[in-house]
Amino acid sequence: DAKTTQPNSMESNEEEPVHLPCNHSTISGTDYIHWYRQLPSQGPEYVIHGLTSNVNNRMASLAIAEDRKSSTLILHRATLRDAAVYYCILSRGSGGSNYKLTFGKGTLLTVNP
Amino acid sequence: DVKVTQSSRYLVKRTGEKVFLECVQDMDHENMFWYRQDPGLGLRLIYFSYDVKMKEKGDIPEGYSVSREKKERFSLILESASTNQTSMYLCASSLWRREKNIQYFGAGTRLSVL
Repeated sequence: DAKTTQPNSMESNEEEPVHLPCNHSTISGTDYIHWYRQLPSQGPEYVIHGLTSNVNNRMASLAIAEDRKSSTLILHRATLRDAAVYYCILSRGSGGSNYKLTFGKGTLLTVNP
Repeated sequence: DVKVTQSSRYLVKRTGEKVFLECVQDMDHENMFWYRQDPGLGLRLIYFSYDVKMKEKGDIPEGYSVSREKKERFSLILESASTNQTSMYLCASSLWRREKNIQYFGAGTRLSVL
């Protein structure tokens, strides 16, 4: 399975934008890029996903590099409630085990008031 | 909104006991999952079910079994609990589509085996 690499931790100030990077240099052409986050004492929750084009939703934006070897999750205005572990995950679009989401260690985001 | 409900948030059991962790989803999802989460190890898949009575082993199935008699309910069974099964257990469900593989998680059950 293709792997992702994320920084262990990042820090941000409230109401400032946050850019969370993810490297996935061995991504295959059919892999989707998913982002989940896990708030303290809760299960992970879906944030956003994309294939090739940048994506926006009410929670965040996803910027995907042209070669797809990296992506960035953008929180436009961080709030204290965005403090969480953020996971970047590749989801196989075809082939066996395509239901699997392999969670790495993610990035622990701290938001300072 | 999709809701995945785990029967207990906290559970304390003794070594050797048989333990049942229950999970119910209300969105008619075909797929259901059991993970465990340990510090430094992230989430690891224990078992997966893609239909009623169907199951597949995940990455760490040893010491666990599962049951799916109804589409909405997926149970994780520890036949004889051991202390190394103390962990956070997370259930998830999904309606898998190639372009949209989104899993919805419950709040988790923190199990302590003494």
